[in-house]
Amino acid sequence: QVLLVQSGAEVKKPGASVKVSCKASGYRFSDYYIHWVRQAPGQGLEWMGWLKCKNGDTRYAQKFQGRVTVTRDTSISTAYMELNELTSDDTAVYFCARVGRDDLWGQGTMITVS
Amino acid sequence: QAVVTQEPSLTVSPGGTVTLTCGSNTGAVTSDHYPFWFQQKSAQAPRTLIYDTTKKHSWTPARFSGSLLGDKAALTLSGAQPEDEAEYYCLLSYSGTHVFGTGTKVTVL
Repeated sequence: QVLLVQSGAEVKKPGASVKVSCKASGYRFSDYYIHWVRQAPGQGLEWMGWLKCKNGDTRYAQKFQGRVTVTRDTSISTAYMELNELTSDDTAVYFCARVGRDDLWGQGTMITVS
Repeated sequence: QAVVTQEPSLTVSPGGTVTLTCGSNTGAVTSDHYPFWFQQKSAQAPRTLIYDTTKKHSWTPARFSGSLLGDKAALTLSGAQPEDEAEYYCLLSYSGTHVFGTGTKVTVL
């Protein structure tokens, strides 16, 4: 079964960092890009960045430049998104996803900063 | 960072037609922005309906279609069904980075 499974919910203090994992299964991890998207409570979708799983190339939204890092471990088909210097504005559900023709989304990870 | 704008809300009658648009403050939306359209129902992950302006996913009902309309990307729903009530987001590519639109809440009433 083709899946993206994310790590569980976390509560963090302001100023802390969080690292969310996204484990792929059922397909060849390196063949795709993975995007990171977040959604604050009651708000719209916000694109954060993408990872080219084949070679680790990344692009980030200007808003998150310098504060977000997306990496991967191809040996375990897992992508990671680390966000630093958390504030209450970072409270959101964070999704990893393939988009477009190969659409596939993780279940989402709730990060609460309080 | 670009700002991508959608109608906040639209209402359509069952069986009716509605068009959602997606505009950019940087200028006309073109096929070079590779417009995506996503549907999100409450408490669920979004899913792609349209990608690359007009291409449909295997699960996209035939009543949905994507296009460029004037200087915007557009999603047209023809023959609305109650199950189409949802939030719809466009996503545009700007030379490798992406920006979501503000989202449109579609009510079928």
